[in-house]
Amino acid sequence: DAGVIQSPRHEVTEMGQEVTLRCKPISGHDYLFWYRQTMMRGLELLIYFNNNVPIDDSGMPEDRFSAKMPNASFSTLKIQPSEPRDSAVYFCASSPPPPTIAGSPDTQYFGPGTRLTVL
Amino acid sequence: TQLLEQSPQFLSIQEGENLTVYCNSSSVFSSLQWYRQEPGEGPVLLVTVVTGGEVKKLKRLTFQFGDARKDSSLHITAAQPGDTGLYLCAGVIMTTDSWGKFQFGAGTQVVVTP
Repeated sequence: DAGVIQSPRHEVTEMGQEVTLRCKPISGHDYLFWYRQTMMRGLELLIYFNNNVPIDDSGMPEDRFSAKMPNASFSTLKIQPSEPRDSAVYFCASSPPPPTIAGSPDTQYFGPGTRLTVL
Repeated sequence: TQLLEQSPQFLSIQEGENLTVYCNSSSVFSSLQWYRQEPGEGPVLLVTVVTGGEVKKLKRLTFQFGDARKDSSLHITAAQPGDTGLYLCAGVIMTTDSWGKFQFGAGTQVVVTP
């Protein structure tokens, strides 16, 4: 199994430019998560999807951020326009359906991350 | 809002020593997970605890979930350089949907020197 695939691994752009991050989840996983990690704020959940439908986007910082999942094998996180404070490592993770025990999430499998630098 | 507080933020010890990392919250969690993250990689799940008072062991790692399900600890016995990494706790607060609200703590950076 290839695991969660993210691209690009590194992205350097200038303030005001559009940035698109891509993720391919593990086949068969129903859940897909987008996280942002910085030294100051740690690992923050931005949005998650279940069966391609956005379930909770309360972590999305502002309207400049948008995420889509057009099919079960692909998702994008777009920032337009980008700002220097968006610089961070962005992780995508996928998970199979939770087990039958209520409140017990299954394992989230993380991709290698995309390191974004906005100058 | 940070629901999970981890302590200490940084821990540096010698090989062979023991260490404990703590994860605390004012909220009750239906379950709690511990992950380890190495530089340049995503977090990897170590364990999930569900029942208050539960203790799980994974080789030299011992995980405990508090009776009130508001806190957890990770204890490493005889630490080795391979234990170096960022240890993250993550908790689930149940909501009306099947998944619940999921949040990570800020992490504890552990460095084990030979």
